[in-house]
Amino acid sequence: AQTVTQSQPEMSVQEAETVTLSCTYDTSESDYYLFWYKQPPSRQMILVIRQEAYKQQNATENRFSVNFQKAAKSFSLKISDSQLGDAAMYFCAYRSRNNDMRFGAGTRLTVKP
Amino acid sequence: NAGVTQTPKFQVLKTGQSMTLQCAQDMNHEYMSWYRQDPGMGLRLIHYSVGAGITDQGEVPNGYNVSRSTTEDFPLRLLSAAPSQTSVYFCASSDWDTQYFGPGTRLTVL
Repeated sequence: AQTVTQSQPEMSVQEAETVTLSCTYDTSESDYYLFWYKQPPSRQMILVIRQEAYKQQNATENRFSVNFQKAAKSFSLKISDSQLGDAAMYFCAYRSRNNDMRFGAGTRLTVKP
Repeated sequence: NAGVTQTPKFQVLKTGQSMTLQCAQDMNHEYMSWYRQDPGMGLRLIHYSVGAGITDQGEVPNGYNVSRSTTEDFPLRLLSAAPSQTSVYFCASSDWDTQYFGPGTRLTVL
């Protein structure tokens, strides 16, 4: 079964600075999707960014971008110009073509004013 | 457009009681799923469905039943609740690549 590992239980960043959250995964598949979700204290799961494995170009959504290294099975999230509203739990997730989805344990991001 | 709705938001059960967590979506998505989230852990897939009449087990299916009689609804049943099922439960529906989550149900089993 696929596994997703987030090695940073907690991260901290100064407002307006840049932070990178790490994620690695294990799979034998060649075609899959990767996601980053944000979970604020409200508990709502909010999609931040997604990446299709067959696309070599790294996905970007405004201040959020990923570094997708398929051979290394690495999928890190970079948040630029961090804002107080970015503070939340961030989950990396893997979805296979048969719809099986696995999440990492999460990284708690704190943004300091 | 309500998206994915879940009821109830909170529930307290005694060991051995049964209940059904409701989930509905209005996006006409074929794929729906149920997850549980325990403290310090990410979401774990319980059951999923790729369309009406089709369900399958996820990572942690034991103690839960599902059915999918319509595209819109995907209820999760606990037949005999156990304290180990205390958790936050999320329902999600999906288009071809992205899942949309409901607000969650916090369940406590005493």
